Parts: sequence; structure tokens; C-alpha cells
Amino acid sequence: QVTLKESGPALVKPTQTLTLTCTFSGFSLSTSGMRVSWIRQPPGKALEWLARIDWDDDKFYNTSLKTRLTIFKDTSKNQVVLRMTNMDPVDTATYYCARIPPSKVHFDYWGQGTLVTVSS
Amino acid sequence: QSALTQPRSVSGSPGQSVTISCTGTSSDVGGYNYVSWHQQHPGKAPKLMIYDVTNRPSGVPDRFSGSKSGNTASLTISGLQAEDEADYYCCSYAGSYSWVFGGGTKLTVL
Repeated sequence: QVTLKESGPALVKPTQTLTLTCTFSGFSLSTSGMRVSWIRQPPGKALEWLARIDWDDDKFYNTSLKTRLTIFKDTSKNQVVLRMTNMDPVDTATYYCARIPPSKVHFDYWGQGTLVTVSS
Repeated sequence: QSALTQPRSVSGSPGQSVTISCTGTSSDVGGYNYVSWHQQHPGKAPKLMIYDVTNRPSGVPDRFSGSKSGNTASLTISGLQAEDEADYYCCSYAGSYSWVFGGGTKLTVL
């Protein structure tokens, strides 16, 4: 059974760095072709793809946020971490992690999401 | 990229059919056969319902079907049931290792 769960602070202050952890089970990110992405959804707005990390440690970022994002993995812990610097109130959103299965181009399993509010 | 355009809400009575549209551009929906649809009940994780425009994952009822014409993809739910009431999001691969999503459609079963 594949599960993903996001964790991190519910509240961050403007200019701070956000660190979110996606802890997953039911698959391994060392399996060839496996990928995990981060996606966010501001209240009342569309989902926005943020970043992706692959089994071979390739990394891809939303070009408009690339300078602020870092994604990395700890395969032994079954975790993917996203860091976003210089947080702003517009970054208030529910942040999701999701799996992309090998040889596919869609998100097949998602976490429940974690709401992050940026406020002083 | 700009978000894909979905109607904010649709509704139907039990047993009826509803169709949710998802309009993008030739750089996303129209350029790739990689449109997916995701169902989300309140407080729950999104669930994949359709991938690669028309394919259903195992366990998804065949009442759910997908299609695409030009830059617009559609999700049709036939034989509406109360448990289908949820938010639905479309998603398209947009090239250069990126994806774009729709704003979501709230389905109400009357």
C-alpha cells in the first residue's frame, strides 16, 4: 500500500525558510524510474507544481520559483525534503507531495497535504 | 505557465451524467496526451481517476471516462452517485519537466 505524508511547520514568518518533509511507504525511491514531486495550492487557487526528484537524484524545479527551492531525498529514511527560502504571505498554501510511477507522466498517489501559513 | 481553466462548479442528480471541461493550450493539454484527473474529498488526499487522457487506474469505476479534443480535455461521470460529490482537478504535462493544473471543479450531486 502506497502512502505519502507531509510534515512541517504550520506557521512561518516572512523571510524565513520553510522545510517540509514527505515521508512515504509502499515504494522505494531507489527503484529505477521512481519520482516524487511537491505541489502546492494557495487557498481558493489552482494547484501549482513545484519540484521533482528522481530515483537517480535528478532534480527539476518550477522555473518561476527555482531560485528559492531545493529538493533532496534520504532514500534510507524514505523521505523527500523541500526547502523554500524567503517565504512570503503569498506562499501560504497547502503543500502536497505526490508520486510519479516509473515510465509514467502523472501523479498516482498523493499525500493529504499540510497547510503552511506565512504571517508575522 | 497559466493554470488550466475548469468550471468552478457543476451539478447533477443521481443517475445522471456530468462532464467537466479543462481548457489549456497547445503547450500543455493540446501538445501531450498526458492529461490526468484527480478527485478530492474534503480533508482527504487527491485520488487519481484518469491518466493519459483516457486510462482508468484499477479500482476506479468505469463510470468515469476521459477524453480530449484539441486544447480541451473532459472528464465525464455517468450514473452519478452521492459519493462522487467532490472537487475534481485536471492536470497536464507541460513540457520541460513541468506540469500545470486546473483550478478545480466542485461537483454537487443534487
